[in-house]
Amino acid sequence: ETGVTQTPRHLVMGMTNKKSLKCEQHLGHNAMYWYKQSAKKPLELMFVYSLEERVENNSVPSRFSPECPNSSHLFLHLHTLQPEDSALYLCASSQDHRAFNTQYFGPGTRLTVL
Amino acid sequence: AQKVTQAQTEISVVEKEDVTLDCVYETRDTTYYLFWYKQPPSGELVFLIRRNSFDEQNEISGRYSWNFQKSTSSFNFTITASQVVDSAVYFCALSGNFSGNTPLVFGKGTRLSVIA
Repeated sequence: ETGVTQTPRHLVMGMTNKKSLKCEQHLGHNAMYWYKQSAKKPLELMFVYSLEERVENNSVPSRFSPECPNSSHLFLHLHTLQPEDSALYLCASSQDHRAFNTQYFGPGTRLTVL
Repeated sequence: AQKVTQAQTEISVVEKEDVTLDCVYETRDTTYYLFWYKQPPSGELVFLIRRNSFDEQNEISGRYSWNFQKSTSSFNFTITASQVVDSAVYFCALSGNFSGNTPLVFGKGTRLSVIA
């Protein structure tokens, strides 16, 4: 596989469920990102990891818990979500975490919270 | 603070027409980078171009061209002879801090619909 992959592509969950989103990059990059894209809102940066260390956490609620076990994999663990968390969650990677590097995005996971 | 404004929320054109998507940015940095991404209905953001603030030459790639003007803080994107496959949301983005302390800032996007 090439580029950035995300699974699952679609997820429907209840507010009491626990689920995880997975992202994998095959580009040899050292930085990975989680973004949230809600309808009619700009892309919101959630988390940034560089060499498996978290370097950015933009006041994201604790019901979202990221994990970066190595530079190729990034997870977003979800628990007790709210309906307003329904959105497209996009993963991206770049050479390093400095913002001038081009970020390459995965296809996203469309999450619906019932 | 960095800011990107894409004033056109939605544009609709007939196939084969030319269309220009506007992007205006604000930054206090002297070194910065500008990006365009395409988001088709499938959801993935596809990287189109990256330009640095020192290179004001216009760029052409097939039917795509970009006009970077520092004097007006604009980085506009033109699609020539548009096709239905160009239908997507297009995002302009700005990286305004070379040291990396400021994250990439995206505009709200312009939804382009190309009608056959």
